[in-house]
Amino acid sequence: QVQLQESGPGLVKPSETLSLTCTVSGYSIISGYYWGWIRQPPGKGLEWIGSLSHSGTTYYNPSLNSRITISVDTSKNQFSLKLTSVTAADTAVYYCARADALTAGKIDYWGQGTLVTVSS
Amino acid sequence: AIQMTQSPSSLSASVGDRVTITCRASQDIRNDLGWYQQKPGKAPQLLIYAASSLQSGVPSRFSGSGSGTDFTLTISSLQPEDFATYYCLQDYNYPLTFGQGTKVEIK
Repeated sequence: QVQLQESGPGLVKPSETLSLTCTVSGYSIISGYYWGWIRQPPGKGLEWIGSLSHSGTTYYNPSLNSRITISVDTSKNQFSLKLTSVTAADTAVYYCARADALTAGKIDYWGQGTLVTVSS
Repeated sequence: AIQMTQSPSSLSASVGDRVTITCRASQDIRNDLGWYQQKPGKAPQLLIYAASSLQSGVPSRFSGSGSGTDFTLTISSLQPEDFATYYCLQDYNYPLTFGQGTKVEIK
């Protein structure tokens, strides 16, 4: 059974960097699929942040492009999100997820989500 | 970025009702569209991909149709566990974009 689990600080100060890690169990990241991040501000809709292919190619949302880095640690079967220069607008539940390599919108496994609040 | 517009934003329905939710894309996206269900405090769950393909394990009362710019999610007979928010997601190109959501409430 594939499982994804987000981890990282729940509180980040404005202008600092948000860092989250997704630990994948039940499937090897390097075996295939795309691995990505989606967020949801409290009470609002879903926003795709970016994805990473099993070969290391990244796709980022241009609205966040200059602030995002998604990377992978194959030795730990984890992938990570870094979002720099955060503001209150980055307060959201952050989900990590697995998507089909050929059908990028076929996101079949999700983490439970982790709330990150940006506040001083 | 492709804009996805869902309608209605919310609806009230009764158990057993047939429910239809529409998603319109700002440009032709072929059949590159998925539908997700989200319950409060939970991660979204995939219902439909490639516009009309039912994800494994999803009840057959859910169906999707459409191509090009107009798409529909239909719940043939609404069940108590179906009260949730539904989102469409286009994957025709990056950035992937979601509709704003449709909340299905109990009448």
